[in-house]
Amino acid sequence: KAGVTQTPRYLIKTRGQQVTLSCSPISGHRSVSWYQQTPGQGLQFLFEYFSETQRNKGNFPGRFSGRQFSNSRSEMNVSTLELGDSALYLCASSLEGRGDTDTQYFGPGTRLTVL
Amino acid sequence: AQSVSQHNHHVILSEAASLELGCNYSYGGTVNLFWYVQYPGQHLQLLLKYFSGDPLVKGIKGFEAEFIKSKFSFNLRKPSVQWSDTAEYFCAVNPTSYDKVIFGPGTSLSVIP
Repeated sequence: KAGVTQTPRYLIKTRGQQVTLSCSPISGHRSVSWYQQTPGQGLQFLFEYFSETQRNKGNFPGRFSGRQFSNSRSEMNVSTLELGDSALYLCASSLEGRGDTDTQYFGPGTRLTVL
Repeated sequence: AQSVSQHNHHVILSEAASLELGCNYSYGGTVNLFWYVQYPGQHLQLLLKYFSGDPLVKGIKGFEAEFIKSKFSFNLRKPSVQWSDTAEYFCAVNPTSYDKVIFGPGTSLSVIP
């Protein structure tokens, strides 16, 4: 079974631009979560989508948004990029995203650099 | 608010030394617990997980962890580390009444040959 895939793997943008990152979950997984990983803050939860609906959201500004499609693929968008948005953005999928039997599986991440 | 703490930011060991990485969480209800590893240049991988049952959990590559509910802890152990264990280790907690996973800040392990 193919793992979680993320595209693109690397991105370089300038301040003020916007960016869209894509995540394809493991086949059959309906929950997709997004995380930001930086050396200073570690792993931080951005949001989770399930059945095309945002089910949970972390403490990030409204410039960070996402969506999920009917095939469970998810996109994350960051508008008006700031230097501090430079990070590794990780996507993780699980079957149902519930706390009883699920395990999240992570993709390789998208490395975003904002200049 | 729920949080996860990891006792050490950076650990340096010689090969064959024993390893114990501490993890504590602040949540009074039922939790699922995980340890993830991120090797240099690779993406996060699940080492082991605890949902219920035997509090001593065995994972891949000789790792194990023990859930001590009274101490809100889930420490990771390995009796004899190898150079290839050099990586970043993350403890994560998923309160069963919530749908999001909370990660600890990570512990960087360097194993010297």
